[in-house]
Amino acid sequence: DGGITQSPKYLFRKEGQNVTLSCEQNLNHDAMYWYRQDPGQGLRLIYYSQIVNDFQKGDIAEGYSVSREKKESFPLTVTSAQKNPTAFYLCASSENSGTGVGYTFGSGTRLTVV
Amino acid sequence: ELKVEQNPLFLSMQEGKNYTIYCNYSTTSDRLYWYRQDPGKSLESLFVLLSNGAVKQEGRLMASLDTKARLSTLHITAAVHDLSATYFCAVDTTGGYQKVTFGIGTKLQVIP
Repeated sequence: DGGITQSPKYLFRKEGQNVTLSCEQNLNHDAMYWYRQDPGQGLRLIYYSQIVNDFQKGDIAEGYSVSREKKESFPLTVTSAQKNPTAFYLCASSENSGTGVGYTFGSGTRLTVV
Repeated sequence: ELKVEQNPLFLSMQEGKNYTIYCNYSTTSDRLYWYRQDPGKSLESLFVLLSNGAVKQEGRLMASLDTKARLSTLHITAAVHDLSATYFCAVDTTGGYQKVTFGIGTKLQVIP
């Protein structure tokens, strides 16, 4: 079955450490997205990518980096510059065809600073 | 800047009752989505509304879209405990590709 796989499910980061969250999809979707969700909050866009080797900053990109070397993969690195990284991170994908079918979400990664 | 506002933000209701969640947005759009999120889980797509006057129903939930009023509603009929979750609306104004803006969510608690 097609879908989006995020790993790991839980991740613990020490102060000053960079960590990378994995996101893989086999839906043949062109566009991929990273969102951050804090308790009791909505989703805030970190980065998005419409095609391979291209990505754009979202609303809260500072302290994060991404790459899109393959259509299927869109990893997110949380750098030491991100001062408050504890949150739930969601990856999503969609078609770029304009059919308006919305996003498919992964199961999420919960990142905690220890 | 597109703003998406949901109300209420928190809703506690008894089983068997009806209620409506509202989603207002600030920019012209004819694409609106509703998602459900259970605690600690990801988002599940509920409805995709693609035109003015669109109405979709699934079980006890019904969603509608009025693009002229820039308003969508999610109506709950005869609520049951299993509907307890957070509901998000999301608006897409980008046309050829999708970069949607989410509302803050409405946390629904259905009390037996």
